[in-house]
Amino acid sequence: EPEVTQTPSHQVTQMGQEVILRCVPISNHLYFYWYRQILGQKVEFLVSFYNNEISEKSEIFDDQFSVERPDGSNFTLKIRSTKLEDSAMYFCASSGTGRAFFGQGTRLTVV
Amino acid sequence: KNEVEQSPQNLTAQEGEFITINCSYSVGISALHWLQQHPGGGIVSLFMLSSGKKKHGRLIATINIQEKHSSLHITASHPRDSAVYICAVRGGGSNYKLTFGKGTLLTVNP
Repeated sequence: EPEVTQTPSHQVTQMGQEVILRCVPISNHLYFYWYRQILGQKVEFLVSFYNNEISEKSEIFDDQFSVERPDGSNFTLKIRSTKLEDSAMYFCASSGTGRAFFGQGTRLTVV
Repeated sequence: KNEVEQSPQNLTAQEGEFITINCSYSVGISALHWLQQHPGGGIVSLFMLSSGKKKHGRLIATINIQEKHSSLHITASHPRDSAVYICAVRGGGSNYKLTFGKGTLLTVNP
């Protein structure tokens, strides 16, 4: 079965630092997403990306966050000036018009 | 905004038992996903449904669009089925984002 790949699997960063989470979606998919899951809570939508632009973002996705598809294969989530409350598991997903496929997640810990 | 409710929150079963997990949502959808999340966090898509019923091995998923309700059944449960099962719904139109339920923690004892 095709896979969405995320790197790194774990990231520890100091508060105030910038982090970039990377994802390689499934190659023929058109829609890309970032979700996050704070420990013990449900998965929350952050942003969707289609046709090289953001198609929807949640209220969580403020100016601290940005997404890019820099080279036609990678899909990145940048968090500027990380806060303690950004500690969470971040999931990348991709889809065509059908089932969504998820990466294994990046566990981000802000200390 | 769609509210997705799952029940039960926690479920403990003996190996071999028939398992049912329920999901209800508040607003009409274009599709519903059942997902599995193991300790360590990775999410695997089990089913995507827009109507009727789907079966894959020992897993069966059903959806009733009129009642805004879906069920996931596991027949002949096994300890390796122990995981969190999550219902997630997809809105209409061209937006394929998912809204997630809180999940059901299933523990199957040998």
